Amino acid sequence: NAGVTQTPKFRILKIGQSMTLQCAQDMNHNYMYWYRQDPGMGLKLIYYSVGAGITDKGEVPNGYNVSRSTTEDFPLRLELAAPSQTSVYFCASSLWDRGSAGELFFGEGSRLTVL
Amino acid sequence: AQKITQTQPGMFVQEKEAVTLDCTYDTSDQSYGLFWYKQPSSGEMIFLIYQGSYDEQNATEGRYSLNFQKARKSANLVISASQLGDSAMYFCQGGDMRFGAGTRLTVKP
Repeated sequence: NAGVTQTPKFRILKIGQSMTLQCAQDMNHNYMYWYRQDPGMGLKLIYYSVGAGITDKGEVPNGYNVSRSTTEDFPLRLELAAPSQTSVYFCASSLWDRGSAGELFFGEGSRLTVL
Repeated sequence: AQKITQTQPGMFVQEKEAVTLDCTYDTSDQSYGLFWYKQPSSGEMIFLIYQGSYDEQNATEGRYSLNFQKARKSANLVISASQLGDSAMYFCQGGDMRFGAGTRLTVKP
């Protein structure tokens, strides 16, 4: 099993450009999440999804959009990139059911720089 | 809003000694979970240990254990017999999937 796969690992954007960070998991997890981590800081929740077709905002959703058309995929869209969106982005998934703690399984992260 | 507090920005410990990292969860929920993750300098996030508020015993996973104090809603991570490879950032996460600010642990040889 690959677990949680994020692409790309690195990307440089110009101000005002748009891009999509891809995230896929092969563990049949129902929950998926996007976090951002600024240098020396903790993780901030951007968006999350409890299942296909259902998404909700986290702590810092402004400037981002998500969709969840399948259980496996949870892409994060950045529209009109700004320098404040320079960060490392982590996608994660978890299984919420009886008998599971619901711990997060993380991708390796995507380092985004907006110049 | 629920809040996770880690009060120690940085901690130092001598190799082979034990260290405790603090985490408190400000929540009105009576049923909740607290998770700990490790982030080495390479950047990946690694799940370490979990405590449920109704678990009767403190969680233990190898050299990691939790000192869970239900009344304070805290789940402090205890790392026993510290190793150089334990040097990393440690994050606490609450049941609402939000993280604390983290503690940077440095193990001295």
